[in-house]
Amino acid sequence: GNSVTQMEGPVTLSEEAFLTINCTYTATGYPSLFWYVQYPGEGLQLLLKATKADDKGSNKGFEATYRKETTSFHLEKGSVQVSDSAVYFCALSANTGGFKTIFGAGTRLFVKA
Amino acid sequence: DAGITQSPRHKVTETGTPVTLRCHQTENHRYMYWYRQDPGHGLRLIHYSYGVKDTDKGEVSDGYSVSRSKTEDFLLTLESATSSQTSVYFCAISVGTDGTEAFFGQGTRLTVV
Repeated sequence: GNSVTQMEGPVTLSEEAFLTINCTYTATGYPSLFWYVQYPGEGLQLLLKATKADDKGSNKGFEATYRKETTSFHLEKGSVQVSDSAVYFCALSANTGGFKTIFGAGTRLFVKA
Repeated sequence: DAGITQSPRHKVTETGTPVTLRCHQTENHRYMYWYRQDPGHGLRLIHYSYGVKDTDKGEVSDGYSVSRSKTEDFLLTLESATSSQTSVYFCAISVGTDGTEAFFGQGTRLTVV
């Protein structure tokens, strides 16, 4: 079945540091890939998405590229801010079988001033 | 914009009692989902619905039932609550041009004592 594996946290960085959160997936067919973010006390919200191989999703300075050859969708940001402290979830969803979204376990990011 | 309201937002209940959580959406989206969020597990799908009276099980459906008598409402019932069902429950709908993107409610924190 489909699955998502992402690096365990927590990840602690200083402000302006470079961020990478690794994500790999297993899927049949050609799913869409996502990063969702959850700020404290809130629900998940979409950060970025990519729908096909070699697509790059980007938002708020975050980027991720859909790599079919390595089945990866790593999240990167060049310079993190304290306000980026949150839990980040990698996920996939296919437009078949009920459009169900499969999530990774989440990676908590702490950014220190 | 899609709107989702979950109720209640917080609940404490006793072991063995039935509990119903409600999810209400305002945009007539066809697909609705119930997830639970637990540390180390990310979000796991409990049940989902693909239309009025059409529902199916997710990966952690034991001990839960759902009903969807109207497009806008999706109810999750814990038939006899157990301490292992203490969790944060999220409702989601399927949105986006290809239907693969998930939009989440704010969550319900349930504690079973």
